[in-house]
Amino acid sequence: NAGVTQTPKFRVLKTGQSMTLLCAQDMNHEYMYWYRQDPGMGLRLIHYSVGEGTTAKGEVPDGYNVSRLKKQNFLLGLESAAPSQTSVYFCASKAAGRGNQPQHFGDGTRLSIL
Amino acid sequence: DQQVKQNSPSLSVQEGRISILNCDYTNSMFDYFLWYKKYPAEGPTFLISISSIKDKNEDGRFTVFLNKSAKHLSLHIVPSQPGDSAVYFCAASAPLGYGGSQGNLIFGKGTKLSVKP
Repeated sequence: NAGVTQTPKFRVLKTGQSMTLLCAQDMNHEYMYWYRQDPGMGLRLIHYSVGEGTTAKGEVPDGYNVSRLKKQNFLLGLESAAPSQTSVYFCASKAAGRGNQPQHFGDGTRLSIL
Repeated sequence: DQQVKQNSPSLSVQEGRISILNCDYTNSMFDYFLWYKKYPAEGPTFLISISSIKDKNEDGRFTVFLNKSAKHLSLHIVPSQPGDSAVYFCAASAPLGYGGSQGNLIFGKGTKLSVKP
């Protein structure tokens, strides 16, 4: 009964380092999303995917790349981390199909860039 | 330009009383509205939703009201419990393809609810 799992939960990086955040869902959902949440802000969409092998830009995509090679996984990459990317990152997934469906979220990755 | 606004950053309520959280939106294309609850160090949890064809949806202690003419929705929690203390996010989406929409959610900044025993 895992739902959406994010790894790692915490990470500290130095400016310029790269890393990949992993999101895995076991609900066979078609849609997956990456958000960031900053203090006093709502969730802002970075990138999303409507199915395996597809990705698209959200509201704040600069400095990030994503890949969806498998339906259950959605990876978020930072090629050269910057202090402005210090944030809490949330992954979400949603079922496709008729009618509206809610998104289901993981517990987040807390990322600090020094 | 914020399309979904939660103008109250915080709200304090006594246990047993009603909590009313408000949300305003500007995009008349929005047709699906959701409320999420978030505890510290956890992800947002889906609470309740409403489609624009309805003006009320109820689930136990939680009721969402939608006033399309005022572009306003509210979440009522009755009775409030200490375990309801969390940040509540309002979110909305437009139908896929309408005005360039990809059907993605737009979130408000959240309202922190504190329920005092």
